[in-house]
Amino acid sequence: SQKIEQNSEALNIQEGKTATLTCNYTNYSPAYLQWYRQDPGRGPVFLLLIRENEKEKRKERLKVTFDTTLKQSLFHITASQPADSATYLCAPYNNAGNMLTFGGGTRLMVKP
Amino acid sequence: NAGVTQTPKFRVLKTGQSMTLLCAQDMNHEYMYWYRQDPGMGLRLIHYSVGEGTTAKGEVPDGYNVSRLKKQNFLLGLESAAPSQTSVYFCASSFGAYTEAFFGQGTRLTVV
Repeated sequence: SQKIEQNSEALNIQEGKTATLTCNYTNYSPAYLQWYRQDPGRGPVFLLLIRENEKEKRKERLKVTFDTTLKQSLFHITASQPADSATYLCAPYNNAGNMLTFGGGTRLMVKP
Repeated sequence: NAGVTQTPKFRVLKTGQSMTLLCAQDMNHEYMYWYRQDPGMGLRLIHYSVGEGTTAKGEVPDGYNVSRLKKQNFLLGLESAAPSQTSVYFCASSFGAYTEAFFGQGTRLTVV
C-alpha cells in the first residue's frame, strides 16, 4: 500500500542553524510534492511545490529537493528562527486518484 | 476575501446523533477535500471532490458521507456519530490537481 513517512520525533535545533526535514514515500510515483506548515490550532498553510522533473526549489530561506529514485524529499530551512517553530507536512500527490494525501508531519522547535 | 470557511468551529455530539459540517470557499476552486486530524496521525483524507456534483472516497471514508451540490460548498455528514469520530476536521480547496490547497480553520468535534 502507499505510504508517506516523516520523522514523528520532534526536531530541536538552535537558532541560526539549518533545519532539515525528511519525507519518504513508497509504492507510488507522484508527479509533484508539496510542503505545508501547520501551527497549533490552525489549518496547514502551503509553502512550496516541487515537480518530478525539478531537483531543487528555493523560496527565501526555504529549499526543497525531490529525488524520485530514492523516493524522498528533503525540506531545509536555513538561518532558522524561533518563529519557524511549527509542524511541517509533506504531501506527495497521488496521481492515481487525484488525491492530496499527507505525511504525519514533523514538529520543528527552534531554540533561541 | 474569506477563503475557506468551516461551520461550526466546535461541536459536541452524543453517540448515535447525526450532523453536517459545512465547508464554503469563495475562490471558484474545482477541488475540495475533507480531512480529519488526530494526535500523532497527521491529516487523513476522508472524501474529496474534483468538481460540482462529483465526490470520491479518500483514505478513511467509512462512517461519513459527502455532497457537492454547489461548486462553492462541500458538506460532510455523519449519520450516526461514534466516539471514534472525535477529531479535528479540516476542509481544503484547490484550483486544480497540481496547485496549492487552501485550508479552513478546522472544526473540533467531540462525540461522547
